[in-house]
Amino acid sequence: NAGVTQTPKFRVLKTGQSMTLLCAQDMNHEYMYWYRQDPGMGLRLIHYSVGEGTTAKGEVPDGYNVSRLKKQNFLLGLESAAPSQTSVYFCASRPLMARGGGRQETQYFGPGTRLLVL
Amino acid sequence: DQQVKQNSPSLSVQEGRISILNCDYTNSMFDYFLWYKKYPAEGPTFLISISSIKDKNEDGRFTVFLNKSAKHLSLHIVPSQPGDSAVYFCAASSGSARQLTFGSGTQLTVLP
Repeated sequence: NAGVTQTPKFRVLKTGQSMTLLCAQDMNHEYMYWYRQDPGMGLRLIHYSVGEGTTAKGEVPDGYNVSRLKKQNFLLGLESAAPSQTSVYFCASRPLMARGGGRQETQYFGPGTRLLVL
Repeated sequence: DQQVKQNSPSLSVQEGRISILNCDYTNSMFDYFLWYKKYPAEGPTFLISISSIKDKNEDGRFTVFLNKSAKHLSLHIVPSQPGDSAVYFCAASSGSARQLTFGSGTQLTVLP
């Protein structure tokens, strides 16, 4: 299993450009999350999805859109990039249930996408 | 307003000694707590967790303590090893989707 993968690893954008970050997981997890990490701060939740076709806003959703058309993929879109969106973006996934039964709490993270907006 | 706080941005300890990383939270709705470890240019990896109904969880060299009345948790690493040098994030879980709220992290350096 590759786990959680993110594409691209690094990208430079100009202000106003658009792009899509791809997150893919091969663990058949129901839940997927997008976070951003800025210097000196912890990870902050942007959007999340509790299943295919569903999305919800997190703590810092402004300027981003997401889609989950397939269970294994979670896309994060920036329609008009701004310098304030310069950050490292992490995707995570989590199964609904733990192997032994009961709720699964641990989220599994991808390696991150470093985005620079000039 | 930060709901999960890690007030020490950095910590240095000697190899073989104990490392103690601290975390405070304000939201009483948090019912599960996790510690993640992060190396540069990699994603966070899960280390250890604790439910709010417990006060201690141990896994090898790692122990997490929870003091609910003080809204405080700590991660103990003993003995510390140079490979433990990384950024450690405390996270708290809440809500039906189990969203994580992270602290700002503590950079641990274990000196050989």
